[in-house]
Parts: sequence; structure tokens; C-alpha cells
Amino acid sequence: DTEVTQTPKHLVMGMTNKKSLKCEQHMGHRAMYWYKQKAKKPPELMFVYSYEKLSINESVPSRFSPECPNSSLLNLHLHALQPEDSALYLCASSQPQQNYGYTFGSGTRLTVV
Amino acid sequence: AQSVTQPDIHITVSEGASLELRCNYSYGATPYLFWYVQSPGQGLQLLLKYFSGDTLVQGIKGFEAEFKRSQSSFNLRKPSVHWSDAAEYFCAVLGNQGGKLIFGQGTELSVKP
Repeated sequence: DTEVTQTPKHLVMGMTNKKSLKCEQHMGHRAMYWYKQKAKKPPELMFVYSYEKLSINESVPSRFSPECPNSSLLNLHLHALQPEDSALYLCASSQPQQNYGYTFGSGTRLTVV
Repeated sequence: AQSVTQPDIHITVSEGASLELRCNYSYGATPYLFWYVQSPGQGLQLLLKYFSGDTLVQGIKGFEAEFKRSQSSFNLRKPSVHWSDAAEYFCAVLGNQGGKLIFGQGTELSVKP
């Protein structure tokens, strides 16, 4: 299995809702990442988990809460989002040595209404 | 500071013509460099990567890239473009902060019949 699977593919949520994005990989990668991508822009790093521990938080607002329950799963819990948080959320994984490149998932298209 | 510059926001080529996408980086040490491709609404797919050794790197889908340290460049090339190559292309360098990929702004490729 050489894929990163993200669910759901599309999500519409209200500003008072709580939802979660899920990411799963079975490549034995021990580093996992959340990126946010706005239209016509490059991905922006949000969080990095290495060996299931949060190693980088790029000053992301607390309405985004990451969780890494085990080495194969990565969640992003969403609460009280704003319309400007609408974007494509990409998950990626790699070996912690990192030099083999990331494997990206297809993303979750999030719309906040 | 580490950075990646893709000077061309949008390029249009005719099908069957050759292609070169430009990428310049700023990085103090030997860089780890990547090219990714993104089709609309999709995740990023790794085309090729450079770490060391031979400066001409072969990738998937007939793409290649050449690392030129003297010019701080890592340009992507393809001898004959196919309509299915129309997509967004991102050049990236691996930063020295725990696995963070630093992306260029991207180049949108359109292919004329």
C-alpha cells in the first residue's frame, strides 16, 4: 500500500459545528503532516507529527486541533471555524529522515458556511 | 532564509512541444529538491527528487530535472508535452526545520491542441 487516504473528500460545515478530518497510511511512515492549501496557492504547513509526537505547530489557531492516535492515523479536529478557513486540507507522510519526499493524500475540500 | 522561486506563474505550450519550468532556490547547504504536480482538486504527486550525485534526475511521466548549483536552479524539463500534463507544478526544497517542505508559488501549465 503506497497511498495516503483522506476522508471525507468534501466537507461543508457551519461556523458552530465540530467536525474531524481523517488521514491514514500503511507505508510504515513515522512522520505525518497537515497542510492547508488555498486556491492558486502552494500548500502551507500546519502541523508535523514525528513518531506520534507533535514536533511542529506553525502557529495555527486553536480552532484546529491535531491528533495522532497511532503511527498510521492522523486526525484534524475542527471547531468554530471561519469562512476564511475554507480550503483544501492535505495530509502527507514520510520517513522521519524526510529525504525520500512526502506522499500526499488527495485532500479534503472544506467549505465553511 | 530558505526560499523557492518559480518565475513563471502560467505557461502555455503546444502538445508535442518541449517544456521547461524554472525553479530557483535559496538554501545554505546542499539542498534536497523536489518537483510535484497537482491536477485540479487533487493532492500532490511527486515527479522527481534530487539529494546528491548525478545532477540530471529522471522522474515519472517522462520528466527530468537538472540541478545547477552555480545557478541555484532545479529546472524541470520534458521533451514532448501531452495534453494530460496540463496541471499545476510546484518546486520545493526541504527546509532545515524538522521536515518542512518549502514550496514555490507554482507554475500553471496549459497545453494547446
